[in-house]
Amino acid sequence: GENVEQHPSTLSVQEGDSAVIKCTYSDSASNYFPWYKQELGKRPQLIIDIRSNVGEKKDQRIAVTLNKTAKHFSLHITETQPEDSAVYFCAATDTGGFKTIFGAGTRLFVKA
Amino acid sequence: DSGVTQTPKHLITATGQRVTLRCSPRSGDLSVYWYQQSLDQGLQFLIQYYNGEERAKGNILERFSAQQFPDLHSELNLSSLELGDSALYFCASSVGHDQPQHFGDGTRLSIL
Repeated sequence: GENVEQHPSTLSVQEGDSAVIKCTYSDSASNYFPWYKQELGKRPQLIIDIRSNVGEKKDQRIAVTLNKTAKHFSLHITETQPEDSAVYFCAATDTGGFKTIFGAGTRLFVKA
Repeated sequence: DSGVTQTPKHLITATGQRVTLRCSPRSGDLSVYWYQQSLDQGLQFLIQYYNGEERAKGNILERFSAQQFPDLHSELNLSSLELGDSALYFCASSVGHDQPQHFGDGTRLSIL
């Protein structure tokens, strides 16, 4: 079945620096890749997503890149702020799109 | 507010008992997903329904079952509860597969 690996598990950056989180997936038929942010004690919230027919997508300080050949996708956060501190999850849907498999999460700390 | 309603917010019970968690999806969403999140862990996909039909299963234990009713709300039934079942259970809904999922605030289940 589909497997999603996420790295790093913990990331600490200085305010204003960039943060990059990387994920790989196993199912070559996956075609939808969302990213979720979960603040402490709260529900996961979608921050950006990308489909397999697109290589890159940006939304203000957040961008996601997808390399279908390598089965690899990444989240890029620029000009990080303390409020970006949270756990970030990548995910991929399996063939058919009914099952969503999440990565293990990256705990991002942004130091002021 | 995501528009997804989960009840109850908290549930405390004993080993061997049975509980029912309820989820009302966002208006217009036909898909409902259930996830388990143990302390400081990722999101484990349990099961997904689309318009009343089961469409995908994850690593859901045989002691767990779910259904989606004609009004599209869903219930997750957990029986013969064990200490290890203590977790945060999230419900999410989406318009369809391969679409952004909107999470409820979760039900925190504590087994004593």
